Amino acid sequence: AIQMTQSPSSLSASLGDRVNITCRASQGIRNDLSWYQQRPGKAPKLLIYDATSLQRGVPSRFSGSGSGTDFTLTISSLQPEDFATYYCLEGYSTPRTFGQGTKVEIK
Amino acid sequence: EVQLVESGGGLVQPGGSLRLSCEASGFTFNTYAMSWVRQAPGKGLEWVSVISGSGDSAYVGDSVKGRFTISRDNSKKTVYLQMNSLRVEDTAVYYCAKTKYQLMLDAFDIWGQGTMVTVSS
Repeated sequence: AIQMTQSPSSLSASLGDRVNITCRASQGIRNDLSWYQQRPGKAPKLLIYDATSLQRGVPSRFSGSGSGTDFTLTISSLQPEDFATYYCLEGYSTPRTFGQGTKVEIK
Repeated sequence: EVQLVESGGGLVQPGGSLRLSCEASGFTFNTYAMSWVRQAPGKGLEWVSVISGSGDSAYVGDSVKGRFTISRDNSKKTVYLQMNSLRVEDTAVYYCAKTKYQLMLDAFDIWGQGTMVTVSS
């Protein structure tokens, strides 16, 4: 199984900050990566698919970059509703693997 | 409106069985692969299983292999997860999820609200 190493596991940031979350795959996965946001007690929500494509309805302050083994989710200007946990998910092979998650908290 | 509604969760003793259901609406169900993802209390997301739109292909994760089976009834727009030989470590919220396109490895664009499974004596 492909291993997905997500970092950091948590971060504290202020409103308006730029935030980067990274995922590294244990082998090349082309651009087969998606990013999800999960608020407490809620189901995950798709933000980015195919590494860089913004899901319809997701604010443009979210962006994704990378291919191969290294990927980044960027929030350009953190808003109150962005405080949540974020996960990456590889879509290269089964069994599929999520990153461990990054909890974004208010500083 | 595109929607997924899970049901069937509950409290079960170790070694017991449960069948989860996920009823879909608002899209052409038989053309999309469907997956189950779980989340243990306070933990991250874990992919559990996937089934193709036709139901011809299916895969399960290593932690549930030989115990869980995914299936679907396209006439009822429902996907199932049969869980046997349940263990305490299977305690989790179980989500069903729809793939964005039709391939089994696509991103999950629609999620259900989740159903809680508690395995305890």
